[in-house]
Amino acid sequence: DAGVIQSPRHEVTEMGQEVTLRCKPISGHDYLFWYRQTMMRGLELLIYFNNNVPIDDSGMPEDRFSAKMPNASFSTLKIQPSEPRDSAVYFCASRVGGGSGPTHTTQYFGPGTRLLVL
Amino acid sequence: AQKVTQAQTEISVVEKEDVTLDCVYETRDTTYYLFWYKQPPSGELVFLIRRNSFDEQNEISGRYSWNFQKSTSSFNFTITASQVVDSAVYFCALSEEGSARQLTFGSGTQLTVLP
Repeated sequence: DAGVIQSPRHEVTEMGQEVTLRCKPISGHDYLFWYRQTMMRGLELLIYFNNNVPIDDSGMPEDRFSAKMPNASFSTLKIQPSEPRDSAVYFCASRVGGGSGPTHTTQYFGPGTRLLVL
Repeated sequence: AQKVTQAQTEISVVEKEDVTLDCVYETRDTTYYLFWYKQPPSGELVFLIRRNSFDEQNEISGRYSWNFQKSTSSFNFTITASQVVDSAVYFCALSEEGSARQLTFGSGTQLTVLP
């Protein structure tokens, strides 16, 4: 089975440009999470969805960040306008909902998108 | 609030040595889950193990073993006979049943295994 797929793997852009990161969760998983990893703050949760509905976006740093999940197999994280401090690795993760077994409580991560804003 | 502490920022060992990575957690929930993830130099996050709060049985998988002790709120990870390929950042994480199972990560331990 394919794991979580993220694109692009690397993105270099200039300050002020719009950046769109994409994620395809594992088929059948109904929770999707976006994380950001930086040296200063480590791994932090930005937002998560359940059945395509945003549940908690309290981790989104500011209004420049937005996320959507138009269907069960696709999500985007958009930064507009981008700033140098947005440079980080962005991870998408997914898991199965309901139950308490291993597959229902374990998040599986994509390979990440390394973003550099100049 | 949930919290995970990995006090060891960096560890360096010589190949074939055993090494233990420490993880201490804080939670008020009685139902919670503990995880270890590995982040090799290539950058991806690889799931290694999950334990739930009702299962204190230690687990061994090849050269890897995990020691879960509720009395000390610890979930330590031991690599036996370390290899260069074990070099990575290792993250301990916690999710609470009462917090929609959101993951809280520790700050990670950078393990370097020297040949």
